[in-house]
Amino acid sequence: QSALTQPASVSGSPGQSITISCTGTSSDVGGYNYVSWYQQHPGKAPKLMIYNVSNRPSGVSNRFSGSKSGNTASLTISGLQAEDEADYYCSSYTSSNTLVFGGGTKLTVL
Amino acid sequence: QVQLQESGPGLVKPSETLSLTCIVSGFSISSGYYWGWIRQPPGKGLEWIGIIYHSGITYFNPSLKSRVAISVDTSKNQFSLKLGSVTAADTAMYYCARLYDSGGWFFDLWGRGTLVTVSS
Repeated sequence: QSALTQPASVSGSPGQSITISCTGTSSDVGGYNYVSWYQQHPGKAPKLMIYNVSNRPSGVSNRFSGSKSGNTASLTISGLQAEDEADYYCSSYTSSNTLVFGGGTKLTVL
Repeated sequence: QVQLQESGPGLVKPSETLSLTCIVSGFSISSGYYWGWIRQPPGKGLEWIGIIYHSGITYFNPSLKSRVAISVDTSKNQFSLKLGSVTAADTAMYYCARLYDSGGWFFDLWGRGTLVTVSS
């Protein structure tokens, strides 16, 4: 299975909004509403930020939102804050009963 | 609260078998959920290794399937990973995590991870 495609890096200034894309195929992202997003700070374990395309776990800021169109899912962070600087990974269930991650996107808050 | 803790050797020789255990506290593995392993080579992205249900049902990453085994011990509330014929490419931080599978497939709880280096 091939990794989902994410941009290597994105950046934004405090207060701005950014969007990270995650492109797969009809066998994963496009075929199921089982896309999730994880935030990882350096030296830390990943943290679930979005599940099932657009749902936020309890405790996650409503500045984080998710969506999907066709084979591409997106994570949007509004009102950027310094603490949002981290790596972000998408993942998706696949038609083979497996799970695949994206390559990761480094978010820099300028 | 629910906690996951990885344990195992931090150094494994090439061609040998990597063995890790994840001890779960605050939640009974037998109550449900899948339990899985994910790894991350230094400076690289996440790679899904596989998952196991308390009944023993398993699913694996096709690229690792021939070398991977995951088992569960409900009496000790823990699950384990074995990866055979390791090479330097298997050097990574290894995480155990809980997979929510009821109307979704996502890891909602993660261990802190344990670094495994493959070197002679």
